[in-house]
Amino acid sequence: GQQVMQIPQYQHVQEGEDFTTYCNSSTTLSNIQWYKQRPGGHPVFLIQLVKSGEVKKQKRLTFQFGEAKKNSSLHITATQTTDVGTYFCAGATGGGNKLTFGTGTQLKVEL
Amino acid sequence: DAGVTQSPTHLIKTRGQHVTLRCSPISGHKSVSWYQQVLGQGPQFIFQYYEKEERGRGNFPDRFSARQFPNYSSELNVNALLLGDSALYLCASSLARGVGNSPLHFGNGTRLTVT
Repeated sequence: GQQVMQIPQYQHVQEGEDFTTYCNSSTTLSNIQWYKQRPGGHPVFLIQLVKSGEVKKQKRLTFQFGEAKKNSSLHITATQTTDVGTYFCAGATGGGNKLTFGTGTQLKVEL
Repeated sequence: DAGVTQSPTHLIKTRGQHVTLRCSPISGHKSVSWYQQVLGQGPQFIFQYYEKEERGRGNFPDRFSARQFPNYSSELNVNALLLGDSALYLCASSLARGVGNSPLHFGNGTRLTVT
């Protein structure tokens, strides 16, 4: 079945450093969504990318969808302690009828 | 507007028992999906319902079942509980018929512990 892998699994950074997580799907995706889950919380939707090569920005966060629609990345510039959490990508297939979450990247930010 | 609400928040059961988890979607959302999240892993898809019809089923045994009511609320039932069923069960509501076509709005989840 479809697999969605993320690397790295964990990342510790100093506040102010940049952070990137990569998402790779075994199959071509209809779209990709990104979620953030704070410790003890539930996943919260961040963004959805649909078009091949699409790039979207939200303040310090930059999201990219690969040209082949099989990979994606999330880059955070100048991390802050509020960025702490686990970031999940979720790939949609079957015209959006199936959504598979990635393995997640846990981000810790130290002062 | 209220977000997605789930009940109960925590539950402790013993092996072999059954459990019913409940979810109320955001007003206007007709799609409800259920996910199991084991500590340290991503949410695993269990079921999706749209307009009271099952639209998708993940790779879970028949001990797992669900339904959606006319008011779009939903129940997840798990029979013959196993220790491995211990997890956070998340409910998400969304607007679109396809589970991956619009943002998912998650509830706070039900933490199920099976002893």
